[in-house]
Amino acid sequence: QVQLVQSGAEVKKPGASVKVSCKASGYTFTSYDINWVRQATGQGLEWMGWMNPNSGNTGYAQKFQGRVTMTRNTSISTAYMELSSLRSEDTAVYYCARGPYCSGGSCYESGFDPWGQGTLVTVSS
Amino acid sequence: DIQMTQSPSSLSASVGDRVTITCQASQDISNYLNWYQQKPGKAPKLLIYDASNLETGVPSRFSGSGSGTDFTFTISSLQPEDIATYYCQQYDNLPRYTFGQGTKLEIK
Repeated sequence: QVQLVQSGAEVKKPGASVKVSCKASGYTFTSYDINWVRQATGQGLEWMGWMNPNSGNTGYAQKFQGRVTMTRNTSISTAYMELSSLRSEDTAVYYCARGPYCSGGSCYESGFDPWGQGTLVTVSS
Repeated sequence: DIQMTQSPSSLSASVGDRVTITCQASQDISNYLNWYQQKPGKAPKLLIYDASNLETGVPSRFSGSGSGTDFTFTISSLQPEDIATYYCQQYDNLPRYTFGQGTKLEIK
C-alpha cells in the first residue's frame, strides 16, 4: 500500500538544525510532489513547502525562506526536510504528505494523501 | 496571499445531527479546495478534494460544496467516530497551499 514513513523524534538546542526523513513506498516516488506541514501542540496545520522528487525543484512558504531546505534521494525513495536556526517556536510535529501527481511538466492536484505519521521536533535548551 | 477563514472554530453536536462547517477564501479560488479530518494524535486524512469530490473509501455522509470564495463541508448524520478537527485547504495561489484554522467537533 502507499505509505510514507518518517524518522523518529528529535530533541535539539536553540540555534541547531534538524533533518527529518520521509520514506515513500507503494508508488513511483518521482511521480508525486512531497509537501511538508507542521503542527505545534494544540495548533492548526501550517504548510512549509513542496518538493518535486523528479526534478528536485522546491517552493517554500515565505515564513521559512532561508531556513528550510527540502531534498531527496531517489535511489531510496526518501525525501528530507532540514530546518536550521531552530528556536523554541519550532517545537512541533512535522508531517510529510504526498501531493499532486506530476507528469510532463504538469501537476494534477487532488489533495495531500497519504501523510506520514509525523515527527516530533522539540527545541529546548 | 490568500487567507482562509474557517468557521466555527468549535462545534458541539449530537449523534445523528447534520453538521456544517464553512470556509471562506479571501479571493476567488475556483474549486481548488480540499477538506481534511484529523483525530487526536493522528495525521490528517483527506476526505474531500476539488471542493466536492469524495475521496475513495470515505463514507457518503461526508460531502462538500461551493466555488469561488465560499465553501461548505457537511456531515449529514454525525457519528461518534466523526469526533475530530476538520481543516479546509486551498491550493490556487501563493502561497501554494493554505489551511483554514480548523474546526474542533465534539459530541454534545
